[in-house]
Amino acid sequence: AQSVAQPEDQVNVAEGNPLTVKCTYSVSGNPYLFWYVQYPNRGLQFLLKYITGDNLVKGSYGFEAEFNKSQTSFHLKKPSALVSDSALYFCAGATRSASKIIFGSGTRLSIRP
Amino acid sequence: SAVISQKPSRDICQRGTSLTIQCQVDSQVTMMFWYRQQPGQSLTLIATANQGSEATYESGFVIDKFPISRPNLTFSTLTVSNMSPEDSSIYLCSVSDSPYDNEQFFGPGTRLTVL
Repeated sequence: AQSVAQPEDQVNVAEGNPLTVKCTYSVSGNPYLFWYVQYPNRGLQFLLKYITGDNLVKGSYGFEAEFNKSQTSFHLKKPSALVSDSALYFCAGATRSASKIIFGSGTRLSIRP
Repeated sequence: SAVISQKPSRDICQRGTSLTIQCQVDSQVTMMFWYRQQPGQSLTLIATANQGSEATYESGFVIDKFPISRPNLTFSTLTVSNMSPEDSSIYLCSVSDSPYDNEQFFGPGTRLTVL
């Protein structure tokens, strides 16, 4: 069965420090991979996606993610965290033959001033 | 990207009643989906709303409990029927119009509380 895992329920980082939110996937073939962010009382906002090509994907708000096929990972990163980055982050994946995407369990990112 | 609105944004309902949630998109889209997000949890796909035909439900969700309509390419409704407190969740509509990458855009959600 296809799955996406986010091993950390919560990540705490000091403002200005680099941040990483981890994601691993089990999706057959060459997957589509996504990161979404959810702010309190809001819907999901798209951050970035990996389709093909360059393994390093750049997205909104200074975030980037690296696709690593050998480790089946798609970790989200940012060089310098902001307090405003505090939110719930979801990794998601899809096979190229299906219209559905599978979401990870989510990671709550907390940036302290 | 498509602009998606949902109505109502939130509601408090009594046990045993039904609530219909509307999802409106500002452009025609191929795919529309309905998700449930229980408090502090991830998103669970309820069904794919198919234009002009019955929705495709995921395991654990049935049409009698969650009837869905999609009369055209910009609008869909989800009804939560015979509600119980366990139905208290955020219900999200999403759309996809990309044949290449399955990217989905989400509405703001409907926060439902069942007493």
